[in-house]
Amino acid sequence: GAVVSQHPSWVICKSGTSVKIECRSLDFQATTMFWYRQFPKQSLMLMATSNEGSKATYEQGVEKDKFLINHASLTLSTLTVTSAHPEDSSFYICSARAEAGKSSYNEQFFGPGTRLTVL
Amino acid sequence: QQQVKQSPQSLIVQKGGISIINCAYENTAFDYFPWYQQFPGKGPALLIAIRPDVSEKKEGRFTISFNKSAKQFSLHIMDSQPGDSATYFCAASIAFNKFYFGSGTKLNVKP
Repeated sequence: GAVVSQHPSWVICKSGTSVKIECRSLDFQATTMFWYRQFPKQSLMLMATSNEGSKATYEQGVEKDKFLINHASLTLSTLTVTSAHPEDSSFYICSARAEAGKSSYNEQFFGPGTRLTVL
Repeated sequence: QQQVKQSPQSLIVQKGGISIINCAYENTAFDYFPWYQQFPGKGPALLIAIRPDVSEKKEGRFTISFNKSAKQFSLHIMDSQPGDSATYFCAASIAFNKFYFGSGTKLNVKP
């Protein structure tokens, strides 16, 4: 149990286009999901906390208008990178927090990540 | 300001040896300390976690040692295997609301 999927696993796009990344909790409901960014050989940097049915909370320095987050259901959160530029190229990872009723209550389960390359 | 400091940055251990990774924190409000294992191109996976009211937790070959007074915790991998070669991250959280990650340790277990 506690599986989180991401789609796509990798994407290449042209500069100026928008890219949507999906994060799904497959076997549990998650009112809270997190989006991270990871540069090569570096740690995970929290970008935003996504709460189902409400606006995401962004970390300091993360552009809200550039990284649009939508958490429309208890199993799906999306991250849209708008007007992508080469400096947005990175590994984006989501995680979902297990809710009450599961033995892993409150623990974060990570998706496999999405490699974004902007040309 | 880095909330969780992790060392070493990289570690080479012979097969069968003990791998030790250390982390330190400042915020005494942290109440949950997990360790994650990450393979290249994959998301992190929870390995083992500990609460500050426990000084040690063991799961198979993995042990967390926690020193509340020193604000330090460490991961010990006993009988290290080549399959353990990965990047390990420590983290700390307050009430699971936000997780702060260490900088990561790349472990290489030599056969």
